Amino acid sequence: EIVLTQSPGTLSLSPGERATLSCRASQSLSSTYLAWYQQKPGQAPRLLIFGASSRATGIPDRFSGSASGTDFTLTINRLEPEDFAVYYCHHYGTSRTFGQGTRVEIK
Amino acid sequence: QITLRESGPTLVKPTQTLTLTCTFSGFSLSTSGVGVGWIRQPPGKALEWLALIYWNEDKRYSPSLKSRLTITKDTSKNQVVLTMTNMDPVDTGTYYCARVVVAAPVFGASDVWGQGTMVTVSS
Repeated sequence: EIVLTQSPGTLSLSPGERATLSCRASQSLSSTYLAWYQQKPGQAPRLLIFGASSRATGIPDRFSGSASGTDFTLTINRLEPEDFAVYYCHHYGTSRTFGQGTRVEIK
Repeated sequence: QITLRESGPTLVKPTQTLTLTCTFSGFSLSTSGVGVGWIRQPPGKALEWLALIYWNEDKRYSPSLKSRLTITKDTSKNQVVLTMTNMDPVDTGTYYCARVVVAAPVFGASDVWGQGTMVTVSS
């Protein structure tokens, strides 16, 4: 079973700054099956990125995803107040698993 | 508009069986390439994937919980049911259902989620 390890656990930034979130897989996986979700308190997760780098419908272009081997990155350019939330990476291949999450908080 | 809604008991006792229902609209589980899955989240903790059923009755389960889970579908009612046996306080959390689309471009990502239902396991 693939394990996804996210870092850092918490990211403290100011609005307007760039956030770089990491997700490392324990073994090789196809980038086709890697997604990122945003979750705000009391809400269901929202699909941001699928296929490692494709934005879901309605997601602003300040959100971008990339992949390099077993390392996946979610970048949020110019943080907006509504971007402060918890972000999860998710592998949805034959087996499915989530990372433990990265909290992006206001500094 | 695609919507999913979870329903079931808010409180179950240890050792009991939990039965949750996901009722959805805006899509059909008789359509090729469509599935519905369940994900849970203990309070303040990370998401955990549980189970998934596809249009063709193919079922997938979390390896660590497989012995306790059963997922079924009723296509005519647009419902998916998850049962989890031998409930324990550590199973307390919010349970979500979500649509899965196998086809491009998402190739299986859970693209639409329900709002979730909170389940507490306590005597």
